[in-house]
Amino acid sequence: ETGVTQSPTHLIKTRGQQVTLRCSSQSGHNTVSWYQQALGQGPQFIFQYYREEENGRGNFPPRFSGLQFPNYSSELNVNALELDDSALYLCASSLQGDGNQPQHFGDGTRLSIL
Amino acid sequence: GENVEQHPSTLSVQEGDSAVIKCTYSDSASNYFPWYKQELGKRPQLIIDIRSNVGEKKDQRIAVTLNKTAKHFSLHITETQPEDSAVYFCAASMGGKLIFGQGTELSVKP
Repeated sequence: ETGVTQSPTHLIKTRGQQVTLRCSSQSGHNTVSWYQQALGQGPQFIFQYYREEENGRGNFPPRFSGLQFPNYSSELNVNALELDDSALYLCASSLQGDGNQPQHFGDGTRLSIL
Repeated sequence: GENVEQHPSTLSVQEGDSAVIKCTYSDSASNYFPWYKQELGKRPQLIIDIRSNVGEKKDQRIAVTLNKTAKHFSLHITETQPEDSAVYFCAASMGGKLIFGQGTELSVKP
């Protein structure tokens, strides 16, 4: 069974730039959720994709957007990067999109904004 | 609003003692409550979860209890070991998504 994988592991960007983060879900999982984890904080829900459709969104501005592909892998795109976007970005996959199934996390992408 | 409060923020115990972490949640419709362990620089790992139709669940040295009326749930770790040292997060399902607590840094001293 293949676990959740994310790329890249680290990324450094400057304010105003755009970034794309990638996530491959665990085999058999059709749902991917993205989280932002600031230092010393719990993960904050950004949005979820279920069967290629956005299936819920947290309190993040529209410059955070995403995609899910037919193989259930997913991308998180962030435009017009701000200093406060510096964080660990985690994706988690699960069997269903109802929030009531175990979610398994990847190792995350550490994003630093200069 | 959608909120999960977690206490304490830090917890230090001696090896062999028990540790208890408590969480309260705001949405009475929540029905799934997982707990994650996150070691420094690593991914959050699911260690145990409980659903609203169950009051208690145990897996070896860890157990979780749920009180739906009071909207709180707790993690209990018995016979703690140094390798239990990590940050622990509780979470609750709300509106189809997981809302996480702020985390508890557990330190187990040999």
